[in-house]
Amino acid sequence: EIVLTQSPGTLSLSPGERATLACRASQSVISNYLAWFQQKPGQAPRLLIYGASTRATGIPDRFSGSGSGTDFTLTINRLEPEDFAVYHCQQYGSTPYTFGQGTKLEIK
Amino acid sequence: QLQLQESGPGLVKPSETLSLTCTVSGGSISSSSYYWGWIRQPPGKGLEWIGSIYYGGITYYNPSLKSRVTLSVDTSKNQFSLKLDTVTAADTAVYYCARITVVEAFDIWGQGTMVTVSS
Repeated sequence: EIVLTQSPGTLSLSPGERATLACRASQSVISNYLAWFQQKPGQAPRLLIYGASTRATGIPDRFSGSGSGTDFTLTINRLEPEDFAVYHCQQYGSTPYTFGQGTKLEIK
Repeated sequence: QLQLQESGPGLVKPSETLSLTCTVSGGSISSSSYYWGWIRQPPGKGLEWIGSIYYGGITYYNPSLKSRVTLSVDTSKNQFSLKLDTVTAADTAVYYCARITVVEAFDIWGQGTMVTVSS
């Protein structure tokens, strides 16, 4: 089973700043099948990035994903008020599909 | 557009079976391009993949739950279902269903349904 470790656990930033979230895998993610999700309280996760770097339909270009192998990053430029939420990474290259523990992005 | 909706009891007694159904609307569950899956999230915790099923019946289960989980699909009703046997309080969670593609991952989710295990 691939264990995903996200850092930091909580990130405190102000609107307009840049957020950098990390996701490290315990072994290489097959085909870089790494996804990022945004989750707001009481809502289902929303797919942001798949294949490590491809934005899902309708996702603003201030969201970008990068990385390969075991180290991946989600960058959010020019934070908007609606971006403050919990972010999850997930690997879907091999079963069992696994998720990181989440990073909470909060307003400073 | 495609939508998924979970349904089932919100309260299940310990040692009983949790049964949920996901109804797919706005598209066919029989598309060869997609799998269908279940994910859960205990209160205040992270996400856990439970299992996935193809319309033809091929299933993949999380080994941590495999002995207690059964997924099935009903193409005539455009639904797929989850059964989790012998539940305990540790199975209390929000249960989500989702569409899965090989490349685009878990791209569409249901709104989720809270299931509490308690006597």
